[in-house]
Amino acid sequence: EAGVVQSPRYKIIEKKQPVAFWCNPISGHNTLYWYLQNLGQGPELLIRYENEEAVDDSQLPKDRFSAERLKGVDSTLKIQPAELGDSAVYLCASSLGADSSYEQYFGPGTRLTVT
Amino acid sequence: AQSVAQPEDQVNVAEGNPLTVKCTYSVSGNPYLFWYVQYPNRGLQFLLKYITGDNLVKGSYGFEAEFNKSQTSFHLKKPSALVSDSALYFCAVRDKGTYKYIFGTGTRLKVLA
Repeated sequence: EAGVVQSPRYKIIEKKQPVAFWCNPISGHNTLYWYLQNLGQGPELLIRYENEEAVDDSQLPKDRFSAERLKGVDSTLKIQPAELGDSAVYLCASSLGADSSYEQYFGPGTRLTVT
Repeated sequence: AQSVAQPEDQVNVAEGNPLTVKCTYSVSGNPYLFWYVQYPNRGLQFLLKYITGDNLVKGSYGFEAEFNKSQTSFHLKKPSALVSDSALYFCAVRDKGTYKYIFGTGTRLKVLA
């Protein structure tokens, strides 16, 4: 079974430029998460999808971040414009459903460097 | 507010010795608790979880964790450490009502040959 796929793995951009990250969850997983992980810290939730609906985006900085999951499968996270403080690892995860007992499966992450 | 604490930034243990990575939590009601491991340049991998029932939970790679409600702890343990266990370990708690996952700050485990 293929795991969660993310691309690109690494991205270097200049500040004020846009950037997009892509995630393909495990087949059959209805719930998809985007996390931000700073160096030496645990992941912090940005947004959670149930199928194509964003059910928790309270931690997403909506002035510059946006996300979509149009057909309830793949998802894209975008930053426009990027700031120096956005440098971090962006993790995508998926789980079977919304039930709190389900564990999450994480992709390898995209390491973003903003210069 | 719910929270997770991992009091040790790093734990060093000799290969073959038992290891413990500590986690305490604060959450209203009965929690769902998880341990994940992260290897360099990799995403987090699920190790084990406590949902209900037996307080001793067994997981992948010989790891186990003990849920202690009175001490609000969920320490990760392994009877005999391997060098390959060296990684970053995260404890997480999930609120049953909001589905929010709260991760600890991580503990780096270093197993010395």
